[in-house]
Amino acid sequence: AQKITQTQPGMFVQEKEAVTLDCTYDTSDQSYGLFWYKQPSSGEMIFLIYQGSYDEQNATEGRYSLNFQKARKSANLVISASQLGDSAMYFCAMRELNYGGSQGNLIFGKGTKLSVKP
Amino acid sequence: DTGVSQDPRHKITKRGQNVTFRCDPISEHNRLYWYRQTLGQGPEFLTYFQNEAQLEKSRLLSDRFSAERPKGSFSTLEIQRTEQGDSAMYLCASSHTGAGADGYEQYFGPGTRLTVT
Repeated sequence: AQKITQTQPGMFVQEKEAVTLDCTYDTSDQSYGLFWYKQPSSGEMIFLIYQGSYDEQNATEGRYSLNFQKARKSANLVISASQLGDSAMYFCAMRELNYGGSQGNLIFGKGTKLSVKP
Repeated sequence: DTGVSQDPRHKITKRGQNVTFRCDPISEHNRLYWYRQTLGQGPEFLTYFQNEAQLEKSRLLSDRFSAERPKGSFSTLEIQRTEQGDSAMYLCASSHTGAGADGYEQYFGPGTRLTVT
């Protein structure tokens, strides 16, 4: 069965510094996608970044980058130059990439609460 | 693109009552998902639709839960005979099929927070 593990319940980072949020996953599928979402205290889930299992380059989106190590089954999120507005819950998620089948849902980890200190 | 909307945003109900939530996906998206999120946890999948067809249901979706998506547009999630354990945030998401990140990314609504007293 697919599983996402986020081992850091909470993280602190100083404003303007970089932070890495850990995510490991377990799947027997060869084709899958990995996602990171941000959930501020207001509750909405905001998509940050996506990495496909066959992508050779690590994904980047602005200050976000995904450190994808396929052999280790890890997909860590790196946030550079942290800002106060980055304080939120961060969820790692995985989805099978099954073009013809019915699997479509995301499997989420338990999340990491990031607090950015001024 | 007005985003995914959900109604109501908050619902307080007494145990045993029925409740219904509505989700309006992004208009061109053919896939619609329902998730449930309890405090301190990540969202858990409940069910999903492709157009009007309900393609998958989680074992979390007991017989008291039913979801519909008539005409493949908006969707409703009904919980009958609510229990205190149903208290959670109910999230709706939509996406379209296709290749690349755009085809896989799910856009979430603001959620409906249900409190069962």
